[in-house]
Amino acid sequence: QKEVEQNSGPLSVPEGAIASLNCTYSDRGSQSFFWYRQYSGKSPELIMFIYSNGDKEDGRFTAQLNKASQYVSLLIRDSQPSDSATYLCAVKKRALTFGSGTRLQVQP
Amino acid sequence: EADIYQTPRYLVIGTGKKITLECSQTMGHDKMYWYQQDPGMELHLIHYSYGVNSTEKGDLSSESTVSRIRTEHFPLTLESARPSHTSQYLCASSPGGDLYQETQYFGPGTRLLVL
Repeated sequence: QKEVEQNSGPLSVPEGAIASLNCTYSDRGSQSFFWYRQYSGKSPELIMFIYSNGDKEDGRFTAQLNKASQYVSLLIRDSQPSDSATYLCAVKKRALTFGSGTRLQVQP
Repeated sequence: EADIYQTPRYLVIGTGKKITLECSQTMGHDKMYWYQQDPGMELHLIHYSYGVNSTEKGDLSSESTVSRIRTEHFPLTLESARPSHTSQYLCASSPGGDLYQETQYFGPGTRLLVL
């Protein structure tokens, strides 16, 4: 079992829709959780992090954390073609352990 | 805006050569990391450092070595490059401290091709 699991996708949504990206993790002791966006051929860039159960909103992005169920999700409202990228979930241990990412395609 | 630099950006080299990938950051971050990422695949941590003279191996077995003599500099060395080392190498840094400070900022990466 991988420490951080993500569906590789691609997840395809129409422009303006809500994109929902999910991530599960195996270590119950994990404390903080990060979402990164990576465009093809580029380095990851931070979208947001969360460490408390519940929702955290930042603009069009909402991170949701459920420690009891060991999952974290990212919602992207009003999806735009420029949101098309791979979204990486990462869990804090010694360093960050990354999932393999979910490829999102937003169709114009 | 994070200021973290990697050189070279692209490197094509023959088998058996010694190479050093450079990484520097100007933010005074204590923590620095090296990841390896193949196209379309996940990032694998190969080395990290929590400060000067501190280095640790990551989760991915690697034939590379690192050093941390100065806070801002974290070079990665391959003593004898092999085709299996062909990959993208990403350097990152974070301020460390509390949970908020664990955010990692990535450099632009070095794409390595070993012939």
